[in-house]
Amino acid sequence: QVHLVESGGGVVQPGRSLRLSCSASGFTFSNYAMHWVRQAPGKGLDWVAYIWHDGSNEDYADSVKGRFTISKDNSKNTLYLQLNSLRAEDTAVYYCARNGGYCSGDSCYGGYFDYWGQGTLVTVSS
Amino acid sequence: DIVMTQSPDSLAVSLGERATINCKSSQNLLYSSNNKNFLAWYQQKPGQPPKLLIYWASTRESGVPDRFSGSGSGTDFTLTISSLQTEDVAAYYCQQYYGTPRTFGQGTKVEIK
Repeated sequence: QVHLVESGGGVVQPGRSLRLSCSASGFTFSNYAMHWVRQAPGKGLDWVAYIWHDGSNEDYADSVKGRFTISKDNSKNTLYLQLNSLRAEDTAVYYCARNGGYCSGDSCYGGYFDYWGQGTLVTVSS
Repeated sequence: DIVMTQSPDSLAVSLGERATINCKSSQNLLYSSNNKNFLAWYQQKPGQPPKLLIYWASTRESGVPDRFSGSGSGTDFTLTISSLQTEDVAAYYCQQYYGTPRTFGQGTKVEIK
């Protein structure tokens, strides 16, 4: 079955960096686009970033654009999120999630999150 | 950005009774190319990640009990739990994937009355 396991979270000072990883199993990782979604303590869900199945295209929320970088190593079945210039408001549980959808002919449709990891907590504090 | 607004923020329903959660989008989510609404619903229990319940506004994810149903089109959508069970106590979120950024509603907490 599909399994996503995040790691790399922790406590970090403002302005510092962190790299999160998401190890995937139970499906053909190279066939799927992937997302990062975060949830601040006691708050709702916020989409962070998205990467195409082959890593050729990325998209980011405005709040993290220029500071965070999503990447994907299909040979290692691993998704990454590089977090730079961290701020207190980046404190959250970070989830990786698989992109859900379908393709018909040359067109693909989707963007919901069909499987989620358990999350890794990032705390930005001095 | 497409703004998603859920109502109510919380509701308490007796066991076995119906629970209804509404989700309104600031833009149309019906895509003409495939005639589908780009709207999903998730359930999140305390200390757990979200779980996909419904996608394309009304397609139930495999393994989700049939007491959960999604309806609506365009800008107005509803998640219905036909007969509330103890294990349904959770927060529920709608999410649009018509545009980027993908956006969520603020969530609705469902409790037992």
